[in-house]
Amino acid sequence: QTVVTQEPSFSVSPGGTVTLTCDLSSGSVSTSYYPSWYQQTPGQAPRSLIYNTNTRSSGVPDRFSGSILGNKAALTITGAQADDESDYYCMVYMGSGIWVFGGGTKLTVL
Amino acid sequence: EVQLVEFGGGLVQPGESLIVSCSASGFTFSGSAMYWVRQAPGKGLEYVSGISTNGGSTYYTDSVKGRFTISRDNSKNTLYLQMTSLRVEDTAVYHCVKRGVPGANYYFDYWGQGTLVTVSS
Repeated sequence: QTVVTQEPSFSVSPGGTVTLTCDLSSGSVSTSYYPSWYQQTPGQAPRSLIYNTNTRSSGVPDRFSGSILGNKAALTITGAQADDESDYYCMVYMGSGIWVFGGGTKLTVL
Repeated sequence: EVQLVEFGGGLVQPGESLIVSCSASGFTFSGSAMYWVRQAPGKGLEYVSGISTNGGSTYYTDSVKGRFTISRDNSKNTLYLQMTSLRVEDTAVYHCVKRGVPGANYYFDYWGQGTLVTVSS
């Protein structure tokens, strides 16, 4: 069973830059896994931020960017704002119609 | 505007069955693969099941195989998840999600608010 690992929590100062990562137990995350990222605030449905590694979803500010860093997928927030305080989930495509989510990262902006 | 509205959640006892549904609007439902993703209270997201545009292909995570059945009625723009032999660990908010459009479709672009299924004695 493939496990996708994210940092459980992260903290960033307002205006700062933070990079969240997404790791795969079975090896490196590459573009072939089509990593995507979702933001979820308490009580709300998740919102799509990034898909196909580095494409921003409609309406997502350009301070959010996706990439592959080394052997991991990464979500970078540049110039963090207070309302970026959320849970962030990565998701990878395993093939055969199956996706796997990471455990999520709780981001605090303070 | 794309809308996904789930309903049918509730409290059931272990071993019982329940069907949750998702009413879709604002896009061509018959042209989109659809999925269910759940979130246990205070926990992360978990992929549950998916279905192709015409219902000919279905997908399940291992923990629900043989117990859950996904289906769709394109004439009613509705997605279903039939859940049998429910376990305490199936307690979660069940979100209906739409796959992205062709060419950019290895992700979920729209999510419903979800319906809560509680399995408890």
